[in-house]
Amino acid sequence: AQSVAQPEDQVNVAEGNPLTVKCTYSVSGNPYLFWYVQYPNRGLQFLLKYITGDNLVKGSYGFEAEFNKSQTSFHLKKPSALVSDSALYFCAWADSSYKLIFGSGTRLLVRP
Amino acid sequence: DAGVIQSPRHEVTEMGQEVTLRCKPISGHNSLFWYRQTMMRGLELLIYFNNNVPIDDSGMPEDRFSAKMPNASFSTLKIQPSEPRDSAVYFCASSSRTGGTSPLHFGNGTRLTVT
Repeated sequence: AQSVAQPEDQVNVAEGNPLTVKCTYSVSGNPYLFWYVQYPNRGLQFLLKYITGDNLVKGSYGFEAEFNKSQTSFHLKKPSALVSDSALYFCAWADSSYKLIFGSGTRLLVRP
Repeated sequence: DAGVIQSPRHEVTEMGQEVTLRCKPISGHNSLFWYRQTMMRGLELLIYFNNNVPIDDSGMPEDRFSAKMPNASFSTLKIQPSEPRDSAVYFCASSSRTGGTSPLHFGNGTRLTVT
């Protein structure tokens, strides 16, 4: 079955350090991939997307993601984490009918 | 832009009662999605509409669930009768579907508790 996977339930990082939240995909053809963030008691917010073109995608709040076809990955990265980045992060893919299917989510905890 | 508006924010009801969740999408958006979020199953797509027409309802759990979109500015998700296992946060999202890959804009959800 086509899907995205987030192998880590939680990622812990110190403020100021770089962060990576992992996502791998198992999607045929050219995948449309997305990252969303969810803060407590709120809906999801769009961070960035990869459709085609440059493999390095820049998004909101200083986040970026690199599409790697050989490793079938789309990891989310930020050079310097902030405490306020602590939230739940979702990787997602859009199928041919543009339904958005989400991964299981990764909780990011940035400690001061 | 007020964003996607969902009501109520919280709903507590007893098993067997009818529950209606409401959503007002962003003006000008022509696609609307209903998702359900639980700890066990994560985020599940229940149904989505394009231009007020249901396109895919394969995620609707069973006949107790129904969704309508009578016009471009309003949608409802109804559960009748409700059961404790329906307890979850229900999100509505809308998009402009420009090119089919426009980001979804989510409401803040309705937390449903069925006792």
